[in-house]
Amino acid sequence: QSALTQPRSVSGSPGQSVTISCTGTSSDVGGYNYVSWYQQHPGKAPKLMIYDVTKRPSGVPDRFSGSKSGNTASLTISGLQAEDEADYYCCSYAGSYTWVIFGGGTKLTVL
Amino acid sequence: QAQLVQSGAEVKKPGASVKVSCKASGYTFTIYAIHWVRQAPGQRLEWMGWINTGNGNTKYSQKFQGRVTITRDTSASTAYMELSSLRSEDTAVYYCARSTGVRPTDAFDIWGQGTMATVSS
Repeated sequence: QSALTQPRSVSGSPGQSVTISCTGTSSDVGGYNYVSWYQQHPGKAPKLMIYDVTKRPSGVPDRFSGSKSGNTASLTISGLQAEDEADYYCCSYAGSYTWVIFGGGTKLTVL
Repeated sequence: QAQLVQSGAEVKKPGASVKVSCKASGYTFTIYAIHWVRQAPGQRLEWMGWINTGNGNTKYSQKFQGRVTITRDTSASTAYMELSSLRSEDTAVYYCARSTGVRPTDAFDIWGQGTMATVSS
């Protein structure tokens, strides 16, 4: 199964907001409310930022929020900070055959 | 605090196997499932498989079915991932990740530091 579709890169200035999209199908993103988002800094392990589409783990700033419409999930980061510059990956449950599918990743640049 | 510590870097020849360990600490090992995810250099994350650490049930990605084996040793709070018939395309960082529960729908809340496996003749 192909990866979920994310933009290769997005950018924004400090204090601005950016949104990263994650497009799948009715067999994954659109079929279940089990989308998660991970932040990965260079050379580091991924970090869970959002799970179950909209939920934020303890310790993740409320500047990070998630949503979903149809087959597309989105991660919005408001009040951009320099430390937000990283790669972001979406992930979705994809049913009892495939189970888990990741997006291609989006590089966020803070200008 | 809960953490996962993986074994060190590996260099293998094509056709060989690699086995990576993932030792859990700071929580009850058998309550949370463990997933394995890999990332080739400059590439995306790729899910490989899952083990229910309580009963040992496993699920593998179709891409790796037949080549990957995930096991666990509850007495050592350690999960293992073995990948066989290695080829150059398997050169990647291999991560273990703790699931927030035992359902396949649960997210990955704690990650190991990663293990670099290089396949080269």
